[in-house]
Amino acid sequence: AQTVTQSQPEMSVQEAETVTLSCTYDTSESDYYLFWYKQPPSRQMILVIRQEAYKQQNATENRFSVNFQKAAKSFSLKISDSQLGDAAMYFCAYRSASRGGADGLTFGKGTHLIIQP
Amino acid sequence: GAVVSQHPSRVICKSGTSVKIECRSLDFQATTMFWYRQFPKKSLMLMATSNEGSKATYEQGVEKDKFLINHASLTLSTLTVTSAHPEDSSFYICSASGRANEQFFGPGTRLTVL
Repeated sequence: AQTVTQSQPEMSVQEAETVTLSCTYDTSESDYYLFWYKQPPSRQMILVIRQEAYKQQNATENRFSVNFQKAAKSFSLKISDSQLGDAAMYFCAYRSASRGGADGLTFGKGTHLIIQP
Repeated sequence: GAVVSQHPSRVICKSGTSVKIECRSLDFQATTMFWYRQFPKKSLMLMATSNEGSKATYEQGVEKDKFLINHASLTLSTLTVTSAHPEDSSFYICSASGRANEQFFGPGTRLTVL
C-alpha cells in the first residue's frame, strides 16, 4: 500500500515571502501521479498542481512549483510571493497509474499554512 | 471547468435513521466516482470507488452494509449511511473522474448524527 507523509503540521510565512511544504511518499510502483491540493475554510478541495511520475521536469503553475525527486520519493511544494489568499490546509496526494489513473487518492495528513500580513 | 455538486451540504439526523448523500457531475460524464471521509482537522480517507453500473469497491475497514453506494448513471452517485450513529458524524466528500483522469471534488456534506 502507498503512504504519503507530510511532516509539517503547520507552517507560517510572511506575506510576499517564499515557503516550501514537504511531502514524501512510499510506493513500489513506477508509474503514478502526485498532487498538491488546497483546502480553504470552505473545505472545497482545489487542485494546486500535479506531476506525472514519468516526467522529469518539475511542474509549475504560476507562483506554485514542485521539486520532484523520484529516487528520493520526495515531492515538495514551493509557493513564491505568498499571498493572504494562500492560507489554507495543503494536502499532498498520490494516485496510482496502473489502472489508467482510475484509482482513488491517498492523502497525507496535511499542512496548515498561515500567511502573516 | 468540470463541476461536481453534492446534496445536501449539511444534514442533521437522529441516531438510527438513514441518510442519503448525492454526488453529481454537472457538465461531464464520470464513469468513476470516489467517496472520501474527513474528520475534523484530519486528512481525507478514501472510503470507496463507485463505478457506473457495477458494485462499488470498498477500502479495507469500511463497512459496505453501513455505507451503501449506488452509481446508477454517468452523472450521479449516492452514498447512503444506514442506521447512522454519532460516530458516523463526519464530512463526506465525493470526487468524479473526468478528462485526463483528473479528479474533481464536490463541496462536501457535513453529517451530524444526534
